[in-house]
Amino acid sequence: DIVMTQSPDSLAVSLGERATINCKSSQSVLYSPDNKSYLAWYQQKPRQPPKLLIYWASTREAGVPDRFSGSGSGTDFTFTISSLQAEDVALYYCQQYYRPPYNFGQGTKLEIK
Amino acid sequence: QVTLKESGPALVKPTQTLTLTCTLSGFSLSTSGERMSWIRQPPGKALEWLARIDWNEDKFYNTSLKTRLTISKDTSGNQVVLTLTNMDPVDTATYYCVRIRPTYYYMDVWGKGITVTVSS
Repeated sequence: DIVMTQSPDSLAVSLGERATINCKSSQSVLYSPDNKSYLAWYQQKPRQPPKLLIYWASTREAGVPDRFSGSGSGTDFTFTISSLQAEDVALYYCQQYYRPPYNFGQGTKLEIK
Repeated sequence: QVTLKESGPALVKPTQTLTLTCTLSGFSLSTSGERMSWIRQPPGKALEWLARIDWNEDKFYNTSLKTRLTISKDTSGNQVVLTLTNMDPVDTATYYCVRIRPTYYYMDVWGKGITVTVSS
């Protein structure tokens, strides 16, 4: 199984500042034939299901604000909120969908400083 | 518009079998390329992927739970069913039905979830 590890577990950032979350997979999730990393990022607010923000490690889902971005390839990935807004307070998860079981990271709790 | 709705019992007793149903709207699991998953989240804990079923009946399971899990679909392709045997209090969680975007494999549409408590 591919193990996903996020860091940090929690993060406090001032409004308008940058927030960065890291995700590492125990094996590469880069599929060579299409040169895509099968890595997604989700946002989960209290009492709501997760919402897809980023897929292919760096492609924003339709309707997601451009302050959210993803980068990385292979085994190391980064999720960034360029200018934190109050509504971004949430849990954030990375997930590999390269091969079942499609494991998630343990989550990162993002709060306002 | 694609929507998903989970249904099933809110409370089960230890050792019982949990059966959850996901009703699909706006698409059919009988259509080539469609895939569905179940994911759960214990209170205050991380998301845990459970199972996947494809339009052609291919199935995949969580490694540690595979002896207890069964995923299936009805003949119309409008419902996906998850069964989890020998329920334990640690199986208390919100269970989500999730659509996998055709061709691409990432999970793009989530149901609202159903909360299941295991208690005697």
